[in-house]
Amino acid sequence: EIVLTQSPGTLSLSPGERATLSCRASQSISSSYLAWYQQKPGQAPRLLIYGASSRATGIPDRFSGSGSGTDFSLTISRLEPEDFEVYYCQQYGSSPTFGQGTKVEIK
Amino acid sequence: QVQLVQSGAEVKKPGSSVKVSCKASGGTFSSDAISWVRQAPGQGLEWMGGIIPMFGTTNYAQNFQGRVTIIADESTSTAYMELSSLRSEDTAVYYCARSEWNIDDYTDYYSMDVWGQGTTVTVSS
Repeated sequence: EIVLTQSPGTLSLSPGERATLSCRASQSISSSYLAWYQQKPGQAPRLLIYGASSRATGIPDRFSGSGSGTDFSLTISRLEPEDFEVYYCQQYGSSPTFGQGTKVEIK
Repeated sequence: QVQLVQSGAEVKKPGSSVKVSCKASGGTFSSDAISWVRQAPGQGLEWMGGIIPMFGTTNYAQNFQGRVTIIADESTSTAYMELSSLRSEDTAVYYCARSEWNIDDYTDYYSMDVWGQGTTVTVSS
């Protein structure tokens, strides 16, 4: 099983600042099978990024993903009030797993 | 636009089973992959398994092998997840989610782009 470790656990920033979230895999993820999701309290996750760097339909361009192999990141270029949520990375394929999540909170 | 609507909340006794449904509309249910993901209170996301209704092929996470059964009824565009031998640690919100899949490997699912609203399952004596 591929273990995903996200860091930091909590990120405290102000609106307008840049957020960089990290996701490290225990082994190389083939074909960049890496996705990012945002989750608001009481709601289902929402797909933001797939294939490590492709934005899902309707996702604003302030969200970007990068990385390959075992190291990936999600960047939010300028935080909007609605971006202060929890973010999960996921490796997909035949045995999908999720990271433990990063909470982006208002400083 | 694909929508997934799940069945309502359940309260179960330890040792019993629960069956949750996920009805799809507005899309191509049979040719999608439907996965089940759960989230215990205050915890992260855990993939349980999935199915491609067109073939009936399933893929289960090792942690749930032998305890989870996923089926799909193409005639009603509904997927079901049954979890048996319930224990308190199974208390969670259970989500279904849609994805595309690898035509060269029926167990290889892609990212999950549509999710159900979630079903709360509480296991308590």
